[in-house]
Amino acid sequence: EAQVTQNPRYLITVTGKKLTVTCSQNMNHEYMSWYRQDPGLGLRQIYYSMNVEVTDKGDVPEGYKVSRKEKRNFPLILESPSPNQTSLYFCASSPGQGFGAQHFGDGTRLSIL
Amino acid sequence: QKEVEQNSGPLSVPEGAIASLNCTYSDRGSQSFFWYRQYSGKSPELIMFIYSNGDKEDGRFTAQLNKASQYVSLLIRDSQPSDSATYLCAAPMIKAAGNKLTFGGGTRVLVKP
Repeated sequence: EAQVTQNPRYLITVTGKKLTVTCSQNMNHEYMSWYRQDPGLGLRQIYYSMNVEVTDKGDVPEGYKVSRKEKRNFPLILESPSPNQTSLYFCASSPGQGFGAQHFGDGTRLSIL
Repeated sequence: QKEVEQNSGPLSVPEGAIASLNCTYSDRGSQSFFWYRQYSGKSPELIMFIYSNGDKEDGRFTAQLNKASQYVSLLIRDSQPSDSATYLCAAPMIKAAGNKLTFGGGTRVLVKP
């Protein structure tokens, strides 16, 4: 089954404790992306990657890091999480250079206390 | 000005009526546009995409694109209670380092039986 898998689905943690949200896709897509969704602010792109070792900032990259060492994986790293990073996060992938339809994961709800 | 703008709603529609959703975008270079539906607590799912000026129909959904006016819309005919959701408009923006996907804030639709 074609899918984008995120883990964990839910996480409550404390300020300053490094965390990683994993994202994996099995569709051999070139383009992968991370979004956060907050009430009243919609879906905002954090980082995106057009292929292995090619990443770039989206609209809200501050406080986040990503890496793309393999085509299928695109982890999101919060080195020193803060409460303003409490949000619902989505990973997505699409074929080509990002002009196609995005396939979304089920989301990760992060709460930073 | 936001790059992709939508009326946040809620748009209240009687069952069986037509729901009309609008989206405007700022980048004249955008060539493709996507409509996603998102149920509360779920990930966005693609319902329509459109590349060419004019109308595109798929079942009860019709997307309309007017590049001269930088306007894209979605019509939902014979609205059903199951259509109650938030509808997101999205457009890729071509940047120097890659293609950034920008979403509008979403329009919440409520279909009343």
